[in-house]
Amino acid sequence: NAGVTQTPKFRILKIGQSMTLQCTQDMNHNYMYWYRQDPGMGLKLIYYSVGAGITDKGEVPNGYNVSRSTTEDFPLRLELAAPSQTSVYFCASDSSYNEQFFGPGTRLTVL
Amino acid sequence: DQQVKQNSPSLSVQEGRISILNCDYTNSMFDYFLWYKKYPAEGPTFLISISSIKDKNEDGRFTVFLNKSAKHLSLHIVPSQPGDSAVYFCAASESNNDMRFGAGTRLTVKP
Repeated sequence: NAGVTQTPKFRILKIGQSMTLQCTQDMNHNYMYWYRQDPGMGLKLIYYSVGAGITDKGEVPNGYNVSRSTTEDFPLRLELAAPSQTSVYFCASDSSYNEQFFGPGTRLTVL
Repeated sequence: DQQVKQNSPSLSVQEGRISILNCDYTNSMFDYFLWYKKYPAEGPTFLISISSIKDKNEDGRFTVFLNKSAKHLSLHIVPSQPGDSAVYFCAASESNNDMRFGAGTRLTVKP
């Protein structure tokens, strides 16, 4: 199993550009999550999904959108990138709500 | 609001000694607590967890203690090894999918 994979690993965006962060898991987990981690801070939940077709907001959803058309994929969309979205983004999945498996992260810089 | 706090950003211990990492929380509704370990350029990996009905959980060299009245939990690593050097995150959840993370403690184990 590859576990949770994320692409790209790094990205630099200009203010106002848009992009999609990809996340795929091959463990057949129903639950998937997007977090961001700012320097010196813990992970903050952006959005999560409890199954295909179902998504919900986490602690810091503003400026982001998600979709969940399949069990495996949970892309995160930034429509109008802002410097405040410079962060490391982690995708995670699990079969219950507790022991989450994380991807390696995407480091995003918005200039 | 920071519902999960790790007040020590860093900790340094000698190989073979005990490492004690601390975590405090403010939400009395949290009923499940986890510790994650994170190496540079990787996603967090699950280490150990404890539910609110227990006050201790052990897994090899790792033990988590929960003091509900003090809203405090701690992770003990005995004996500490150089490979344990990483950032440790405390996390808590409230029987739903919204997990809150602390800011992390960087543990350095010196040979």
